[in-house]
Amino acid sequence: DTGVSQDPRHKITKRGQNVTFRCDPISEHNRLYWYRQTLGQGPEFLTYFQNEAQLEKSRLLSDRFSAERPKGSFSTLEIQRTEQGDSAMYLCASSLVGATDTQYFGPGTRLTVL
Amino acid sequence: AQKVTQAQTEISVVEKEDVTLDCVYETRDTTYYLFWYKQPPSGELVFLIRRNSFDEQNEISGRYSWNFQKSTSSFNFTITASQVVDSAVYFCALSEAPGANSKLTFGKGITLSVRP
Repeated sequence: DTGVSQDPRHKITKRGQNVTFRCDPISEHNRLYWYRQTLGQGPEFLTYFQNEAQLEKSRLLSDRFSAERPKGSFSTLEIQRTEQGDSAMYLCASSLVGATDTQYFGPGTRLTVL
Repeated sequence: AQKVTQAQTEISVVEKEDVTLDCVYETRDTTYYLFWYKQPPSGELVFLIRRNSFDEQNEISGRYSWNFQKSTSSFNFTITASQVVDSAVYFCALSEAPGANSKLTFGKGITLSVRP
């Protein structure tokens, strides 16, 4: 049973560029979450999907951010017109909704915006 | 609104010492879950434990133990006989019960350094 995977692990981009991250959840998990973690802070919720439906978005998710989960499998998180303040670790987690619903995290994508 | 407070920011101990990491939470929900995650230098969050708000039994797993006290809204984590490999950032987190959006609300984390 493979865990949650994320790609790329590191991304360096220039301000104003668009970036896209991918997350592959644990295969039988129907929920997928995105979080953002800045230095010295705990992860903060961005958005989540149940199957292919995006059910909630945080206020942190500005209009420049968009997430998709086509077919309820992998998910992508795109940031348009990146800003230096977007520099952070972007974490993906998946869970199986039900009695436990424990979230298991991937290794994260570290974004640096120059 | 939910909130998790980890008042300790950094703790340094010598190997084999016992150490307790504190966690205090706030929620209006009557049913909720509490979690501890470990984040080693590699960066990946590793799940350690989940506790249901209805279950106040303390739990022990090897050198790890957890003390859940609803009366004081605390969920503390003790490592007995600490080892260098325990060095990491430890996060306490809170979520609503399954069925709702089970998004996690994290504390700021406690950096634990275990010296040989």
